[in-house]
Amino acid sequence: EAGVTQFPSHSVIEKGQTVTLRCDPISGHDNLYWYRRVMGKEIKFLLHFVKESKQDESGMPNNRFLAERTGGTYSTLKVQPAELEDSGVYFCASSHEPGTGAGYTFGSGTRLTVV
Amino acid sequence: KQEVTQIPAALSVPEGENLVLNCSFTDSAIYNLQWFRQDPGKGLTSLLLIQSSQREQTSGRLNASLDKSSGRSTLYIAASQPGDSATYLCAVSNNYQLIWGAGTKLIIKP
Repeated sequence: EAGVTQFPSHSVIEKGQTVTLRCDPISGHDNLYWYRRVMGKEIKFLLHFVKESKQDESGMPNNRFLAERTGGTYSTLKVQPAELEDSGVYFCASSHEPGTGAGYTFGSGTRLTVV
Repeated sequence: KQEVTQIPAALSVPEGENLVLNCSFTDSAIYNLQWFRQDPGKGLTSLLLIQSSQREQTSGRLNASLDKSSGRSTLYIAASQPGDSATYLCAVSNNYQLIWGAGTKLIIKP
């Protein structure tokens, strides 16, 4: 089966611009998660979708971040306007069951650089 | 608040050596603990998952142990190979979220 696909793999934007990251989960996986690792820090949870509904968005840093999952398939994460501190690697994962970390498949990540 | 710490941050050893990576966490109320591997430009690959009721898991040359009461886990790699070079991350599960350590960057010298 195809894995979790994220694109772009890299994005360099200027401060104040808008960027949209996309994640295509494994087909049939209702659960989709976004995580990110900013430079020098640990990977942090952002949010969890069950189908098209946001189950938990407690990790979203502020209202400049907007995640959507229309139709319960792929998800987008929009950053508007981007700030320097948003630079990092954004990971997406999906799972069939809403497991406790078990059965997650991660994508390769999108490396975002804000200059 | 759960915090996960990994020691050392980086490790370089000659090929063939056995080695141990350490992970500690502050709250013992976890569902499970996982060890992941990340290669440059690649995703996060789960290596071993230990449920909270288990003490260890083994896969090939890898063995992970869990001591929930003391908040510690170790990842033992036997007979290391250059292909083991990667960043190894420890993550504990808290409900539907994973809480991550900062990782150990491992270099195996041929």
